[in-house]
Order: sequence, then C-alpha cells, then structure tokens
Amino acid sequence: KAGVTQTPRYLIKTRGQQVTLSCSPISGHRSVSWYQQTPGQGLQFLFEYFSETQRNKGNFPGRFSGRQFSNSRSEMNVSTLELGDSALYLCASSFEGGGNQPQHFGDGTRLSIL
Amino acid sequence: AQSVTQPDIHITVSEGASLELRCNYSYGATPYLFWYVQSPGQGLQLLLKYFSGDTLVQGINGFEAEFKRSQSSFNLRKTSVHWSDAAEYFCAVGAGTAGNKLTFGGGTRVLVKP
Repeated sequence: KAGVTQTPRYLIKTRGQQVTLSCSPISGHRSVSWYQQTPGQGLQFLFEYFSETQRNKGNFPGRFSGRQFSNSRSEMNVSTLELGDSALYLCASSFEGGGNQPQHFGDGTRLSIL
Repeated sequence: AQSVTQPDIHITVSEGASLELRCNYSYGATPYLFWYVQSPGQGLQLLLKYFSGDTLVQGINGFEAEFKRSQSSFNLRKTSVHWSDAAEYFCAVGAGTAGNKLTFGGGTRVLVKP
C-alpha cells in the first residue's frame, strides 16, 4: 500500500510569489492534515480537511489556504510568500477524522524563500 | 488548550544502553497520545499510540511508553538502543473526537554513541 505522497519535495520561491503544494493520502483515507515544521516554532498544525470540508484550522494567517478534492487528494496554497514561510510542510492522512486515528505522514515539501 | 512539553532537547546515549524520553501533556479530557520519530530529511513515523486501556503501550522497533494520568506523562522507553535509533522524537496529543489536530512537543534529538 503506497504511503502519503507529497509533491514537490523541494521548492525555491522568492518573496511575494505564491506556491501550491500537493498531497496524495493513503488509499482509502479521507482525512488530510497539514503541518508546518520550522526550527524556531517546531511542528504546528495548519488545517485539516475531511470529505472535502475544512474541519479544523490552526493559527495561521489567511495567506495559507487549502482544499481537498473528491478523491481525497489535497493541496495547500500560500500566497504573498514571506521569508518566514521557509519550512518543511508535512501532510498527514488518516482513515477517518477522529482524534484517535493515527496519522500517517509524508516526507514533506521543503519550501525555501529567497 | 492542549499542550505538550518535552523537557530534554538533546539526549546522548551509548549503543546498547537504555533510553527514556520524557513527555508531559496538558489536556482537559482523556488524551489521545502518540510518539513519532523523524529521521533527517524524512517525515514522521508513528512509533506507538495510547487511547485507553492498558497504560503500558508497545510500539515498533522495541519501543514502549507508559501513560501516567496522575503525572500527566507519557514517557517513551527502550531497553537497548541501536545506532539506527538516532533521530528526533516527538510526543503529540490528539484533539479528541473533534477531528485530527495534533499538538506536538518540541522534540528530543537522540544521539547514539558507538
């Protein structure tokens, strides 16, 4: 069974640009969550999608957005990039949306802002 | 609001020695607790989880963790460390039935001496 796939693995952008990251969950999983990992702030929850609806949202500005498609694949978008957005962005999927469901993580997309 | 504290930022242990990583959580109800491991350049791999029942939980690769409600702790242990256990370890608490939102501790980096 294939794991969580994130594309691209690496991305370099400049300030002011926008970026879209993609996540394909494990087959059959309907919940997709996104996390930002930085050396200073650690792992922080961005948002969760379940059955194409955003169900939870972390404390990030509106520049960070996401969506989920009918096949459970998810994308997150960051507009007007800032230097502080440089981070490893991790996607995680689980079968359903209860807090007791273990989440399976992809290898992440490393975003660097110049 | 839920929170997780991992008091040790770095731990160095000799190969073959025992290892214990500390985790303290703050959560208003019965917590869903997880331990994840992250190797450089990779995503998070689930080691074990606690939802209810037996407070001693067995995980993969010889890891175990003990849930102690009175101490709000969920410490991770391994009796004999292997060089391949060198990685960063994260403790996390789940949001309960309100969906998938993990709150992570700051992580403990484990170095293994030969």
